[in-house]
Amino acid sequence: EVQLVESGGGLVKPGGSLRLSCAASGFTFSSYSMNWVRQAPGKGLEWVSSISSSSSYIYYADSVKGRFTISRDNAKNSLYLQMNSLRAEDTAVYYCARDSPNSSGWPRAFDYWGQGTLVTVSS
Amino acid sequence: DIQMTQSPSTLSASVGDRVTITCRASQSISSWLAWYQQKPGKAPKLLIYKASSLESGVPSRFSGSGSGTEFTLTISSLQPDDFATYYCQQYNSYSLTFGGGTKVEIK
Repeated sequence: EVQLVESGGGLVKPGGSLRLSCAASGFTFSSYSMNWVRQAPGKGLEWVSSISSSSSYIYYADSVKGRFTISRDNAKNSLYLQMNSLRAEDTAVYYCARDSPNSSGWPRAFDYWGQGTLVTVSS
Repeated sequence: DIQMTQSPSTLSASVGDRVTITCRASQSISSWLAWYQQKPGKAPKLLIYKASSLESGVPSRFSGSGSGTEFTLTISSLQPDDFATYYCQQYNSYSLTFGGGTKVEIK
């Protein structure tokens, strides 16, 4: 069974940093591109970042470029999001999501999502 | 960035109704469109990919159509489990973008 479990969320002051993790199981993690998507309270979904299976290709939303860094450790079946210079508008539930294998090319739709981890940026 | 516009933002319907949600892209995205269902407090669930392909395990009452800039998600006969918020997403190019969502409420 595919499982994605996020952790690392919490309360942080503006300007602070936080590192999110996503532990993957039930599939060959190293074969899949992975993604972070966030959802502010009561709002819609916003794509944050994507990373290819071997970390060769990385993309960011303009809203986080230069502040967030996506990475992965295929030996540990884990995806990460390092978030620096956090702002109030970064407050959201952060989901990790797997690229669907049911498509060719890249990018792709997201077929499995974690349960999310809440990041709150407030003084 | 490609903008995705969903309509309506809220839809009131009854069990058994046929429901259609529209998603428009600001430029052509070919068929690189997905539809997701999200229930309160839960992660989104993939329903449709490549505009019209049904994800495994998703009931056949869900269908998608369209290409280019206009897309629709149709629920042929609304069931109690279908009351949720639906999002379209383009994956033609980065930055990936989602529509604003359509909340399907009980009439």
